Amino acid sequence: AQTVTQSQPEMSVQEAETVTLSCTYDTSESDYYLFWYKQPPSRQMILVIRQEAYKQQNATENRFSVNFQKAAKSFSLKISDSQLGDAAMYFCARSETSGSRLTFGEGTQLTVNP
Amino acid sequence: EPEVTQTPSHQVTQMGQEVILRCVPISNHLYFYWYRQILGQKVEFLVSFYNNEISEKSEIFDDQFSVERPDGSNFTLKIRSTKLEDSAMYFCANPYVPGGNYGYTFGSGTRLTVV
Repeated sequence: AQTVTQSQPEMSVQEAETVTLSCTYDTSESDYYLFWYKQPPSRQMILVIRQEAYKQQNATENRFSVNFQKAAKSFSLKISDSQLGDAAMYFCARSETSGSRLTFGEGTQLTVNP
Repeated sequence: EPEVTQTPSHQVTQMGQEVILRCVPISNHLYFYWYRQILGQKVEFLVSFYNNEISEKSEIFDDQFSVERPDGSNFTLKIRSTKLEDSAMYFCANPYVPGGNYGYTFGSGTRLTVV
């Protein structure tokens, strides 16, 4: 089975500081898509950032950026200038094509301390 | 902004009863997914639906589950005889995000509680 692994069940960060969430995955494909989703207490799934495997440049969305290491099959999420509203469960996910099913990691619960 | 709409937001049902969860996807989108999230666990794929047919299903999607498109716009997930372990959040999703980029838009979910 092609899996997605998040080794940090919980992380905490001080407001305005930077935090990095880890994700590794297993795949036999050369091209695929990677995502980070945020799930606040409302349990809505919100897309944070995405990356196509064939693109070497790391994706960036405002305070959110990724470190994509294709050879290592690693896809970490960096949150800069953390805000209280960033507190949530974060899921890493992978799909083989732009429209195929998502495989999720176990999630990392992020706490932001004021 | 295009969105995926799910109803009801919360459903409580007795074990053994049938439940129907409903979803209105982004209009004119042919691909459609159902996912499940047991409380405190990861999100799991149930089934994908393309052009009025199931295109893929997971081992979770056994004979007690079915998915239909009763009309042109609505999708339903039916659980025929609910079990306690069916208690979970159920999400529907389209492989589409605003701006035409790749990604997935999820509905707000239905919290199913089986008692």
